[in-house]
Amino acid sequence: AQSVTQPDIHITVSEGASLELRCNYSYGATPYLFWYVQSPGQGLQLLLKYFSGDTLVQGIKGFEAEFKRSQSSFNLRKPSVHWSDAAEYFCAVVPGYSSASKIIFGSGTRLSIRP
Amino acid sequence: KAGVTQTPRYLIKTRGQQVTLSCSPISGHRSVSWYQQTPGQGLQFLFEYFSETQRNKGNFPGRFSGRQFSNSRSEMNVSTLELGDSALYLCASSRGGAGTEAFFGQGTRLTVV
Repeated sequence: AQSVTQPDIHITVSEGASLELRCNYSYGATPYLFWYVQSPGQGLQLLLKYFSGDTLVQGIKGFEAEFKRSQSSFNLRKPSVHWSDAAEYFCAVVPGYSSASKIIFGSGTRLSIRP
Repeated sequence: KAGVTQTPRYLIKTRGQQVTLSCSPISGHRSVSWYQQTPGQGLQFLFEYFSETQRNKGNFPGRFSGRQFSNSRSEMNVSTLELGDSALYLCASSRGGAGTEAFFGQGTRLTVV
C-alpha cells in the first residue's frame, strides 16, 4: 500500500536559518507528490507539487523541493525561514493512476521558529 | 475567484446525534473529497464525489456518508455520533482528473460531547 513517512515530528529552527523537512514515500511507480502547509485551526494550503519533469520544483513563499527517485524522497527546503513560516507541514502523495482527490498524507512536521 | 467554503466552521454535538456538514467547491470543480483530521490518526481520506457519484471511499464505517448535488456542492453526514468522531473535517475540491490539484477549505471543527 502507498504510504508517506515524515520522520521528524517537530523541528525548531532560528529565524533566518535554512530549513529542510524530510519526506519518504512508498509506491511502486512515480506518484504525484505534494507539500501542504497548515496554520493552526486552518485548512491546507498547497506549497508545491511534483508531477513529472524537472526534479527540483519551486513553490510559493520561497519553498522548493527535490524529488529523488532512487531514495523515494521529496524533501522540502527553504534557504531562510521567517517567523511566519511556523506551521505544520504535510507531505502527500497521490498514486499516478488515481484521482487527485484521494490524497495520502504523512503525519506532518510541526515547525517552530526561534526568534 | 472564491475558494472552497465549508459550513459551519464549528459544531458541538452530543453522542448519538447526527450531523451534516456542507462544502461548496470552487466554481467549475466537479470533484469534492472529504478528510478527517485528528491528533491521533492524522489526515485520513473519507470519500470523494465526482459528478454526483461516489468515486472513491476510505476505510470508515457506514455511519459516515455523503452526497453531491448537481451544482457540485457536497454534504457529509455522520450518524450516531461517537466521542471519537471529534475532529477537523476538511473538504477539498478539484477538477477531478488524475494529477489535478486539490484545494482545501478551512474545515469544520466537530466536537462530540
